[in-house]
Amino acid sequence: AQSVTQLDSQVPVFEEAPVELRCNYSSSVSVYLFWYVQYPNQGLQLLLKYLSGSTLVESINGFEAEFNKSQTSFHLRKPSVHISDTAEYFCAVSGLYSSASKIIFGSGTRLSIRP
Amino acid sequence: DTGVSQDPRHKITKRGQNVTFRCDPISEHNRLYWYRQTLGQGPEFLTYFQNEAQLEKSRLLSDRFSAERPKGSFSTLEIQRTEQGDSAMYLCASSLSESDNEQFFGPGTRLTVL
Repeated sequence: AQSVTQLDSQVPVFEEAPVELRCNYSSSVSVYLFWYVQYPNQGLQLLLKYLSGSTLVESINGFEAEFNKSQTSFHLRKPSVHISDTAEYFCAVSGLYSSASKIIFGSGTRLSIRP
Repeated sequence: DTGVSQDPRHKITKRGQNVTFRCDPISEHNRLYWYRQTLGQGPEFLTYFQNEAQLEKSRLLSDRFSAERPKGSFSTLEIQRTEQGDSAMYLCASSLSESDNEQFFGPGTRLTVL
């Protein structure tokens, strides 16, 4: 079984400041890791994913996340945030080769950007 | 629009009534998932189909809930004798590849039980 912990329910930052959204997971098997984003009044969208290979993965809008197996973490970072990044961010995990393929989500981190 | 679609987007019902939601996955996606999301929480897995076969059901899915995918395309989720605790956003997702499990989500159906 897998579980995901997002340590911060809300993260307020000023525009153009750096941000880190923390995510830790637990699993007895190898995993795929995801970050999903939910903009206000919109559905969940995949932001980035780690499957294998390079432990640093990037999104098209400047976010990056690093898979750290020893610390079982997959923190999301952006060096300079924009107002348009205001959203709820969900870290998620699924078991590698799991026949169920269900995704286990964290409780989410609300990122609010102050001008 | 070729994404996952859900209907209706909003549903208000009285306690004890039955409701049915529909999900149309991305064409040719053979896997379809239902999740439930309550306020302040992440989505929770309910059930999933591979083609028309329902392969797993969460313990969250009480016997008042039933899901079908009769022809391996669209799916329906029915809740019988609704309770106030059923109020939530019901999300549908679909995926094609088993190798990376990237799931594409629909906009959801928001259910309010009065």
